[in-house]
Amino acid sequence: RKEVEQDPGPFNVPEGATVAFNCTYSNSASQSFFWYRQDCRKEPKLLMSVYSSGNEDGRFTAQLNRASQYISLLIRDSKLSDSATYLCVVVNTGGFKTIFGAGTRLFVKA
Amino acid sequence: SAVISQKPSRDICQRGTSLTIQCQVDSQVTMMFWYRQQPGQSLTLIATANQGSEATYESGFVIDKFPISRPNLTFSTLTVSNMSPEDSSIYLCSVMSGASGGNTIYFGEGSWLTVV
Repeated sequence: RKEVEQDPGPFNVPEGATVAFNCTYSNSASQSFFWYRQDCRKEPKLLMSVYSSGNEDGRFTAQLNRASQYISLLIRDSKLSDSATYLCVVVNTGGFKTIFGAGTRLFVKA
Repeated sequence: SAVISQKPSRDICQRGTSLTIQCQVDSQVTMMFWYRQQPGQSLTLIATANQGSEATYESGFVIDKFPISRPNLTFSTLTVSNMSPEDSSIYLCSVMSGASGGNTIYFGEGSWLTVV
């Protein structure tokens, strides 16, 4: 079993749609969780951190469920510019072992 | 956050040659990380570069193939030695910052390497 697993997609959605991604992790001692966005032929960039209480940033909502060991990302009112690969990232014990998911590809169509 | 500059941004190299990638950070950091991302794949950690000591390599990566230097707290280099087409990839330098309430990773723009 991979340490971090994501549905690779692709997710093809129309503009304005709501789309959700899930990510599961295997190490219950994992400490920190993030969603990164990677555009084609670009480096990954931090989208948002994920906290146990959940957090929201505009159209984006991230949630963490420690009991079930998964994190989620919800994108509301999708824009064409949201088209990218979304990487789930887990930082494990000690804070220095970082595991990247394989990414979920999103295509938002007009 | 941290600002990371990498160069070269891209290169096309002949097989059997070596290429050194440079990474410069705008602040002092204890650890720098080198990742590889092959086409269509996620990121794989090559090694962790510590200032003043040898780099720590992940399984499947060896110092002879990927020698790393870390002369100070703001700079590191990764060399891809004796390249083959299988080394064609994007190589990413990164650092970890304690901003945003946790350990956040920041990346350089990446070095796109094509081996022919």
